Amino acid sequence: QVQLQESGPGLVKPSETLSLTCTVSGVSITSYYWSWIWQPPGKGLEWIGYFYYSGTTNYNPSLKSRVTISVDTSKNQFSLRLSSVTAADTAIYYCARHNSYNYEGLDYWGQGTLVTVSS
Amino acid sequence: QSVLTQPPSVSGAPGQRVTISCTGSSSNIGAYYDVHWYQQLPGTAPKLLMYRNKNRPSGVPDRFSGSKSGTSASLAITGLQAEDEADYYCQSYDTSLSGVVFGGGTKLTVL
Repeated sequence: QVQLQESGPGLVKPSETLSLTCTVSGVSITSYYWSWIWQPPGKGLEWIGYFYYSGTTNYNPSLKSRVTISVDTSKNQFSLRLSSVTAADTAIYYCARHNSYNYEGLDYWGQGTLVTVSS
Repeated sequence: QSVLTQPPSVSGAPGQRVTISCTGSSSNIGAYYDVHWYQQLPGTAPKLLMYRNKNRPSGVPDRFSGSKSGTSASLAITGLQAEDEADYYCQSYDTSLSGVVFGGGTKLTVL
């Protein structure tokens, strides 16, 4: 059974760096592409970026200057760092698995974690 | 402004058929990339509803069907049920962005 679980602080101060981790169980993260997606309250889904364990990463151009996705294969985890956050970064953050390649659908999702940016 | 365009809302009575459109461009749907659809029930994570345009994951009722033509795709729901009330999102891949793109989402209301 494939499961994804996001973890990290639920509250981040403006100008600081948001850090989240996605822990994957039931499958090796070396076998698929993985993405982070966010959803501001009451709004739609937006892709943040994806990675493949070999080092391939790509980010949404609108966030590229502030985003880093990294992977820890020993822990079967991958992480998101978003720097210089503002209130506009308040959102539910999801991690998800692509069904094989980066252009395939996202077949497994974490439950999502709400991150609020506020002082 | 989403790269893929969906109607903000659709509605239908129980038992009726509704369709949700998803319009893209030559850099995504028109570039032969597949379209995938998600259902998001209130307060839950999105769930893959349709993959590669017209394929249903295990457990998705055959009341749901998908199609793609040119730079657009559609999701059809027949025999509408109250439990279908949710937000629906289309998703594809865009060569200009080299990344995943979503539609803005469509809220389905069952009257």
